[in-house]
Amino acid sequence: ELKVEQNPLFLSMQEGKNYTIYCNYSTTSDRLYWYRQDPGKSLESLFVLLSNGAVKQEGRLMASLDTKARLSTLHITAAVHDLSATYFCAVEEIFGNEKLTFGTGTRLTIIP
Amino acid sequence: EAGVTQSPTHLIKTRGQQATLRCSPISGHTSVYWYQQALGLGLQFLLWYDEGEERNRGNFPPRFSGRQFPNYSSELNVNALELEDSALYLCASSPGPGIAYEQFFGPGTRLTVL
Repeated sequence: ELKVEQNPLFLSMQEGKNYTIYCNYSTTSDRLYWYRQDPGKSLESLFVLLSNGAVKQEGRLMASLDTKARLSTLHITAAVHDLSATYFCAVEEIFGNEKLTFGTGTRLTIIP
Repeated sequence: EAGVTQSPTHLIKTRGQQATLRCSPISGHTSVYWYQQALGLGLQFLLWYDEGEERNRGNFPPRFSGRQFPNYSSELNVNALELEDSALYLCASSPGPGIAYEQFFGPGTRLTVL
């Protein structure tokens, strides 16, 4: 059974600092997604990573995928308060079965 | 372009009752997915429908069921409600199965079982 682990679970950081959220998964997969969730809200798609070595950037967020290490990272550069949210990674275990297995989520709080 | 819509926003039921949750996908999307986000359990895959057929199912008992209509909208039914069914139920849609098709999520239905 596919397991997806994120760390840290909670992250409190000051504005302007850099940090990385890690997503490890237990079986081979080359489809990984990052989502953002604000309190009481639904999930917003951030990145879709479809191959080994994939790197995508949007604003202060950058995501990468290493399928050999079964690891994805979400890097935050010069954090701002608006980035406070819970971030989830999700992995599709088997191509075509469309079932996303989500990580536990990382609750990020940016302190002014 | 309108996003995924879900109704109702909130639903309060008592143990043993049935709940029906509804989802309308993004126009042009044929696949609909249901997820449960329960406190302490995280986000769990429930069901996937495409072209009116159930294509995949998560580890949930048979009292969780659903269907997809010809217009691709979907219903999730939960029978014999239990307290632990209290959760946020999220619906997502995609253009269909296949690579590069990410799932777009709706606002969710908050189900409370008393």
